Amino acid sequence: LAKTTQPISMDSYEGQEVNITCSHNNIATNDYITWYQQFPSQGPRFIIQGYKTKVTNEVASLFIPADRKSSTLSLPRVSLSDTAVYYCLVGPNTGFQKLVFGTGTRLLVSP
Amino acid sequence: ETGVTQSPTHLIKTRGQQVTLRCSSQSGHNTVSWYQQALGQGPQFIFQYYREEENGRGNFPPRFSGLQFPNYSSELNVNALELDDSALYLCASSRQALAGGPGQAGELFFGEGSRLTVL
Repeated sequence: LAKTTQPISMDSYEGQEVNITCSHNNIATNDYITWYQQFPSQGPRFIIQGYKTKVTNEVASLFIPADRKSSTLSLPRVSLSDTAVYYCLVGPNTGFQKLVFGTGTRLLVSP
Repeated sequence: ETGVTQSPTHLIKTRGQQVTLRCSSQSGHNTVSWYQQALGQGPQFIFQYYREEENGRGNFPPRFSGLQFPNYSSELNVNALELDDSALYLCASSRQALAGGPGQAGELFFGEGSRLTVL
């Protein structure tokens, strides 16, 4: 499975847009890019998944350049409740994938 | 709320003991995966079950074993507990691309986890 690299931590303020970039240079043709959010003492929660270009849902956008060697999770107008750890994962979306979580990006949103 | 429930939520054991953790998967999901998350680390894949058979295993010793039942619920068993086994154990259910059910194909629905402390 492709290894990912993302910043260890990021700080932001309420109302700002936050962009978290993930590098995955060895992504395979059939790999998808998926982001999960995790609050303390809870299981990770699916945020968004994409294969190429741009994907948007009600909570985030995911930007994937043509070479797919990186991706950017964009959180519009963050609030205090967005303080969490965000994980970028790469792998097939067959339902059988064994996801490899890194240490994630710890986002702290301040008032 | 993901529909995945785990029990117990917290437990304390001593070295050498055995523990069983339980997981009920999201309705419509036939695949269950187990992860171990140490403090400050990302979840680490233990193993996955599909149709009651182990369908892949991470870098964990044989004293970590599991079961999946016909209703797709699952158990994680750990024998001969060690201090380093102290962690949050997460269960996640998912479905395949051609199967019906909630979420996207491959999307993992995690439970809240079972916090194991080994003394």
